[in-house]
Amino acid sequence: DVKVTQSSRYLVKRTGEKVFLECVQDMDHENMFWYRQDPGLGLRLIYFSYDVKMKEKGDIPEGYSVSREKKERFSLILESASTNQTSMYLCASSPLGGGANVLTFGAGSRLTVL
Amino acid sequence: GNSVTQMEGPVTLSEEAFLTINCTYTATGYPSLFWYVQYPGEGLQLLLKATKADDKGSNKGFEATYRKETTSFHLEKGSVQVSDSAVYFCAPYGGSQGNLIFGKGTKLSVKP
Repeated sequence: DVKVTQSSRYLVKRTGEKVFLECVQDMDHENMFWYRQDPGLGLRLIYFSYDVKMKEKGDIPEGYSVSREKKERFSLILESASTNQTSMYLCASSPLGGGANVLTFGAGSRLTVL
Repeated sequence: GNSVTQMEGPVTLSEEAFLTINCTYTATGYPSLFWYVQYPGEGLQLLLKATKADDKGSNKGFEATYRKETTSFHLEKGSVQVSDSAVYFCAPYGGSQGNLIFGKGTKLSVKP
């Protein structure tokens, strides 16, 4: 019954490494999102996408990029990881229409940058 | 843009106690309102929602009423259980392609 899958639950990387976080959904949703979750700060939106090859910056896009080559897959890329990017990353998807549509979340990817 | 203020935690209650977690928002118009819950080690999942003023969302014994006069969407449960221990997030619709604006979360611990 898994609907949004984040391929890595735990990652440890070194400063300066390139990091890929993958997210796949099987619900044929148009919208996909990447959030980061930090204690005391809640969830903050990094990027979202409402269609293949389309992307929009969220509140904290600096240091990140994204890729959406296929409808079901939305990747978050850290070009050069830094220690302040140590966090829990959450992927979510929703159908087109905004408003009252429910976001479905993956289980999260906890990234530690040393 | 829309914003949300949520009661800070952590909140510690004994089993069968009454729970209220306050949530107020600022918004243009009347956005849909959501409560999400995050159990330990898991992602967020929808707890309940309300799409218009005076609507009451409910699920698993939790309730929240959309109050446009006070721009609030407080979460309540009459008798909490140990299994309700989790982090709760209030989230109004952000107004852009399905995005939600999440509060900082309130951690609830219920003791037996």
